[in-house]
Amino acid sequence: GQNIDQPTEMTATEGAIVQINCTYQTSGFNGLFWYQQHAGEAPTFLSYNVLDGLEEKGRFSSFLSRSKGYSYLLLKELQMKDSASYLCAVIDSNYQLIWGAGTKLIIKP
Amino acid sequence: IAGITQAPTSQILAAGRRMTLRCTQDMRHNAMYWYRQDLGLGLRLIHYSNTAGTTGKGEVPDGYSVSRANTDDFPLTLASAVPSQTSVYFCASSLVKGGTDTQYFGPGTRLTVL
Repeated sequence: GQNIDQPTEMTATEGAIVQINCTYQTSGFNGLFWYQQHAGEAPTFLSYNVLDGLEEKGRFSSFLSRSKGYSYLLLKELQMKDSASYLCAVIDSNYQLIWGAGTKLIIKP
Repeated sequence: IAGITQAPTSQILAAGRRMTLRCTQDMRHNAMYWYRQDLGLGLRLIHYSNTAGTTGKGEVPDGYSVSRANTDDFPLTLASAVPSQTSVYFCASSLVKGGTDTQYFGPGTRLTVL
């Protein structure tokens, strides 16, 4: 079966750095998305990786290792507004999007 | 309209009743999707449409039907609601189906079936 694993919940301090991991076992791979979802709101696009390596976008970076079936989202200089769930999603060989359950990130002052 | 809208925002429904969730996008996207999101589970695809006039089944289609009469609208119908259909429903769209196109989500409909 297809599976995406993320930690259920993480806590970090305002101003710090946090890394949210995502491991996947899917039938093929055609890319990986990270989405942010604030409580009670819709998911919004953060990043897309299809090649190995690090993609940086402001305070957010996303890393991919296809050989390890692994990605992480790195959030720097954490702000209270970063409190949200972070969803990892993988495009499989049939170009279907497989979603992880999400990681709830709690930011403390 | 800018992006995707959904209606209603929330609804409480008696079991056995019929309900249609509405979704409209103004981005001229070809592909549209319906997901349900339940606590502790990832988004699960109910139905999708690659383009106007075509629809397909996702991971959890039972008890739901869709239609795509035009590019902009993609309603989801529960013919006879059951309590297990209590969930948050998100409509999404992308320029094309599959591939690497980013999906854009509507604000969601919170449905409670009693």
